[in-house]
Amino acid sequence: EAGVVQSPRYKIIEKKQPVAFWCNPISGHNTLYWYRQNLGQGPELLIRYENEEAVDDSQLPKDRFSAERLKGVDSTLKIQPAELGDSAVYLCASSLEKAGTSGTYEQYFGPGTRLTVT
Amino acid sequence: SQQGEEDPQALSIQEGENATMNCSYKTSINNLQWYRQNSGRGLVHLILIRSNEREKHSGRLRVTLDTSKKSSSLLITASRAADTASYFCATRTSYDKVIFGPGTSLSVIP
Repeated sequence: EAGVVQSPRYKIIEKKQPVAFWCNPISGHNTLYWYRQNLGQGPELLIRYENEEAVDDSQLPKDRFSAERLKGVDSTLKIQPAELGDSAVYLCASSLEKAGTSGTYEQYFGPGTRLTVT
Repeated sequence: SQQGEEDPQALSIQEGENATMNCSYKTSINNLQWYRQNSGRGLVHLILIRSNEREKHSGRLRVTLDTSKKSSSLLITASRAADTASYFCATRTSYDKVIFGPGTSLSVIP
């Protein structure tokens, strides 16, 4: 079974430039997560989708970050414009969660995209 | 503020010893999960314990949960060099938030 796929693996951009990350979850997983992880810290949830619906985007900086999950499968996270403080690893994860049993399934993580903003 | 806080922040032990790390959280939860992260394999799920459970085992891993104290512990028995990694607890809160702690860095010395 293929795991969570993310691209690109590395990205270096200048500040004020746009950047986009792509994630393809495990086939059949209805829940998709985007996290940001700074060095030496735990992952911070940016947005969680259940199918096409964003059910938690409370930590997404909406002035510059946007995300979409068309057709409830793969997803794109965009930053525009990027700032120096956005340098981090962006992780995508997916899980299979059934109605009425929220949060009872483990998350499978992709390898992440390491973003450097100069 | 972080929902989960692991301690210690860093732990160094000899191979064969047991490693214990703790996680404290602030609000009620539906479940708590432990993850491991190393440079080779990224973040990997280890074990999930539900709020109505007190203890779970998986191989050399033992997890306990005390909801009255809002804390959990992860015990790794007979540690190996390959257990060297960062360990994170992640809570699924009762209001359906997913929150990771800052992690414990474990070094197992051969």
